[in-house]
Amino acid sequence: DAGVIQSPRHEVTEMGQEVTLRCKPISGHNSLFWYRQTMMRGLELLIYFNNNVPIDDSGMPEDRFSAKMPNASFSTLKIQPSEPRDSAVYFCASSLAFTAIGELFFGEGSRLTVL
Amino acid sequence: TQLLEQSPQFLSIQEGENLTVYCNSSSVFSSLQWYRQEPGEGPVLLVTVVTGGEVKKLKRLTFQFGDARKDSSLHITAAQPGDTGLYLCAGAGWTSGSRLTFGEGTQLTVNP
Repeated sequence: DAGVIQSPRHEVTEMGQEVTLRCKPISGHNSLFWYRQTMMRGLELLIYFNNNVPIDDSGMPEDRFSAKMPNASFSTLKIQPSEPRDSAVYFCASSLAFTAIGELFFGEGSRLTVL
Repeated sequence: TQLLEQSPQFLSIQEGENLTVYCNSSSVFSSLQWYRQEPGEGPVLLVTVVTGGEVKKLKRLTFQFGDARKDSSLHITAAQPGDTGLYLCAGAGWTSGSRLTFGEGTQLTVNP
């Protein structure tokens, strides 16, 4: 069975450029989460969706970040304009249940480097 | 904000040794999960504990949820090099719904 699929796996860009990260959740999962992982701050929840609807985006750092989930099988996280401090590994995760007891299935992550 | 503190941050041991890592908070959690993350991959769930005082065993791994639901521990018996990885605890509050709070992790290295 395919797990959570993220692309690109690696992205190197220059400050000021737009970055779009993509995620395909596991089929049938109705909750989708975007996390950011850095050495300094660990894993931080940015935003999560339930049934394609954003539930909580309070973790989104600022207006430069936006996320969409146009359908049950696709989500994007966009950073515009990107800054060096956005460099991190961005994970997408999906879950079958809309409860915290549900298991989160993570993708392999997108490593972003902003020069 | 609910914070989870993990200790130690780094642990390097020899194959065959036992170890315990801790996850502590001043907040009460409805449930707590432990994940393991290997380099270049996302975290993978090991266990979920939901009852205060609960103990769960997964082969050589023993997980315990504190009676007060504020802390948890992971004990590994006879560690093997394959246990190497970043161990993350994640707690769910009573009103936070699906919002999990992750600790910063314990990086475990088991040397052959």
